Amino acid sequence: EAGVVQSPRYKIIEKKQPVAFWCNPISGHNTLYWYLQNLGQGPELLIRYENEEAVDDSQLPKDRFSAERLKGVDSTLKIQPAELGDSAVYLCASSLGTAPGETQYFGPGTRLLVL
Amino acid sequence: GENVEQHPSTLSVQEGDSAVIKCTYSDSASNYFPWYKQELGKRPQLIIDIRSNVGEKKDQRIAVTLNKTAKHFSLHITETQPEDSAVYFCAATNNAGNMLTFGGGTRLMVKP
Repeated sequence: EAGVVQSPRYKIIEKKQPVAFWCNPISGHNTLYWYLQNLGQGPELLIRYENEEAVDDSQLPKDRFSAERLKGVDSTLKIQPAELGDSAVYLCASSLGTAPGETQYFGPGTRLLVL
Repeated sequence: GENVEQHPSTLSVQEGDSAVIKCTYSDSASNYFPWYKQELGKRPQLIIDIRSNVGEKKDQRIAVTLNKTAKHFSLHITETQPEDSAVYFCAATNNAGNMLTFGGGTRLMVKP
């Protein structure tokens, strides 16, 4: 079974530029998550999708971050404009559903460096 | 909201020794506790999990214990090997949905 796929794996941009990350979840997984992982810290949830609906985006900085999951499969996370403090790893994860105990499978992440 | 504390932040053991990582959580409604292993530059991978209706779970050299009264759970790795070296994260979630809150991570180093 193919795992969660993310691209690009690495991205270097200058501050104030836009950037977008792409995620393809495991086939059949209805729930998709975007996490932010700062260096030396645990992942922090940014947004969770159930199919194409964003059901929890309370931690997403909406002034510069946006996300979409058209057709309830692939998802993109966008930052515009990027700031120095956005440098981090952006992880995508998916699970079959949202019942407690549903295993979340992570992608390899996109490492963003904002100069 | 949920708060998960993890200790120690770094742990160095000799190959063959045991390693124990401890986590506490704040939300008494939490009922699912997974542990993830993350090697340098790679994705977090689930290694073991426990639900609130059991107190202990084992899988070969790895075990997890849960004390719901005290709101803490621990990861135990026996007979450690160099390939166990990684960062380990605990997490907790409750009935509000599969909303994982992660601990800060423990960097485990197993010296040959």
